[in-house]
Amino acid sequence: AQSVTQPDIHITVSEGASLELRCNYSYGATPYLFWYVQSPGQGLQLLLKYFSGDTLVQGIKGFEAEFKRSQSSFNLRKPSVHWSDAAEYFCGAGGTSYGKLTFGQGTILTVHP
Amino acid sequence: GAVVSQHPSRVICKSGTSVKIECRSLDFQATTMFWYRQFPKQSLMLMATSNEGSKATYEQGVEKDKFLINHASLTLSTLTVTSAHPEDSSFYICSAKGTAQETQYFGPGTRLLVL
Repeated sequence: AQSVTQPDIHITVSEGASLELRCNYSYGATPYLFWYVQSPGQGLQLLLKYFSGDTLVQGIKGFEAEFKRSQSSFNLRKPSVHWSDAAEYFCGAGGTSYGKLTFGQGTILTVHP
Repeated sequence: GAVVSQHPSRVICKSGTSVKIECRSLDFQATTMFWYRQFPKQSLMLMATSNEGSKATYEQGVEKDKFLINHASLTLSTLTVTSAHPEDSSFYICSAKGTAQETQYFGPGTRLLVL
């Protein structure tokens, strides 16, 4: 069965520190991979996506993610976290032509001043 | 670009009534729309997938007679929660994608509270 795992439910970092959020997937083939961010009571905003090609993808708000086929991972990184980055982050994977996505459990990011 | 809206953003209704939630793609044609449900502090659970002009495909365990989905145009899909009960209270989020893209764009969500 297709699945996406985000091992960390809650991560706390200090403002200015680097960040890495983990995502692992289990799919029959290389899926399309996404990272979304959700602020409380809001919908999801797309941060970045990977379909093919360069395995290091750049997104909005200074985020990047690296696709590693050998590890079935698509970890999200940011070199210096800002207080406004505090939110919940969802990794998603899709592999069908009609675009159904499977989401991970989400990682809540808290940023300390 | 790629903006998706939902209306209403928040609704309170009495048990036994029906509630309609609209999802609109504002600047692109959405051939496929998705409806998700999100419980507090949990991930999104896909309820159904709807393609314009076709019947929706429901995920296992989702009652299609309770959650009626209509996707009558390329910019509008509606979710009607029929005979709502307190256990239907949740955050409902829609997303939309066009034919030429694999990315889903999400609406801001609708908070439903059934009293």
